[in-house]
Amino acid sequence: DAGITQSPRHKVTETGTPVTLRCHQTENHRYMYWYRQDPGHGLRLIHYSYGVKDTDKGEVSDGYSVSRSKTEDFLLTLESATSSQTSVYFCAISKGGDGYTFGSGTRLTVV
Amino acid sequence: RKEVEQDPGPFNVPEGATVAFNCTYSNSASQSFFWYRQDCRKEPKLLMSVYSSGNEDGRFTAQLNRASQYISLLIRDSKLSDSATYLCVVRSEQAGTALIFGKGTTLSVSS
Repeated sequence: DAGITQSPRHKVTETGTPVTLRCHQTENHRYMYWYRQDPGHGLRLIHYSYGVKDTDKGEVSDGYSVSRSKTEDFLLTLESATSSQTSVYFCAISKGGDGYTFGSGTRLTVV
Repeated sequence: RKEVEQDPGPFNVPEGATVAFNCTYSNSASQSFFWYRQDCRKEPKLLMSVYSSGNEDGRFTAQLNRASQYISLLIRDSKLSDSATYLCVVRSEQAGTALIFGKGTTLSVSS
C-alpha cells in the first residue's frame, strides 16, 4: 500500500531490557512519527523526525529515544522497558496536506 | 484541557440510520483538520479531510466551524461496515506539524 512497515509486529519483553522498534518506508518522505496508543488516551506523539539525524520530542517522550540515520528508517528505542510502556506503537509518515499513513503497529508487552 | 475532545460513545445505531459525531479543539491556530477511521486492532486510516466550506464524500459529510472551534462528521444511511472508531484529528503547527488525535468515538451499526 503506502510502503511503510513496522517490525516486529508483536513483542514480549522483560522489565529493564532494551527494546528497539523499527519503522521502514519506501517512499522517501521527510517526516516520520512514532505514536503510542493506550485505552483512555488515544494516540499520543512520542518523537518525530524531519530528516536524517533531525529528530525532536513529542508529548510523551520520557523513557524513549529515536534515531534516523537513513531517510527510510526511523528507530524507536526503549532504553530500559517498564510495564507502563506496554502499548501499541504506530509509526506514521506525512504525505503532505492529506494527513498521515500509518504502519500496522507493534504490540509491545513488558512483563 | 485536552487539545481535541470527542464524545467517546459508544453510538449504537441500526442500519440505515443517520449519525453525527462532534469534536472540539482548543488551539485556535490549528490549520488542518481530518477524520480518521480505526477498526479494531488496526491502524488508523484517513477517512476525509475537513474544509472550512464543508465537504462531502458519498454518505459522509464533514463540517468545520472555526469560530466555535468545532468539527463534525455526519454519516447517512449507516452500514454494518461503518462500525469502527472515528478519530477527530487536528494538525498542530508546533511539533513538526504533528497530528493531534482525539480519543475517538466508537460506532456500532447493527442489523
